[in-house]
Amino acid sequence: AQTVTQSQPEMSVQEAETVTLSCTYDTSESNYYLFWYKQPPSRQMILVIRQEAYKQQNATENRFSVNFQKAAKSFSLKISDSQLGDTAMYFCAFVYNNNDMRFGAGTRLTVKP
Amino acid sequence: EADIYQTPRYLVIGTGKKITLECSQTMGHDKMYWYQQDPGMELHLIHYSYGVNSTEKGDLSSESTVSRIRTEHFPLTLESARPSHTSQYLCASSTRDLAGNTIYFGEGSWLTVV
Repeated sequence: AQTVTQSQPEMSVQEAETVTLSCTYDTSESNYYLFWYKQPPSRQMILVIRQEAYKQQNATENRFSVNFQKAAKSFSLKISDSQLGDTAMYFCAFVYNNNDMRFGAGTRLTVKP
Repeated sequence: EADIYQTPRYLVIGTGKKITLECSQTMGHDKMYWYQQDPGMELHLIHYSYGVNSTEKGDLSSESTVSRIRTEHFPLTLESARPSHTSQYLCASSTRDLAGNTIYFGEGSWLTVV
């Protein structure tokens, strides 16, 4: 079974600082995709960043970057220069072949002024 | 933002009532999904569809039903609502080849059954 684990239910960070959210997954597949989604309070869930397992290079999107360790099955999200608007639930997700996306339990991030 | 819409956004209904949550997308996506999410908790897949006339049950057992008569429309129905159905319901869609593509989510429907 494919599982996604987010071991940090809640985290907080001071504005302008850097924070890292952890995600591990379990799969026997060799080719798959990993995602981080952001769900602001009472707002639409949106894609933050995506990583293809066969690519060695870590994905980056502006202030968001990932540390993808395929052997360790780890996929952490780093948010640099945190902003108040980054306050949200963050979900790690996994998909392989054409199967459904599996989500972790989420990490609630609060950015403090 | 993605073109996927859910109505109603918020609903309070009495026990035993029938309710249909509407979901429409204008992106021409083949696959559509319904997730159930309690506040601040993980998402659970309850239904999905590969296309017109296709409906499948997800991981989480649900007393709801779905239909897919048109590509763009994927309504979810509860024949007799109970307080245990109180939750947020998220509709989503994607292309048929999900791998490498993203899922787009609606804004969610908050259902409270009293």
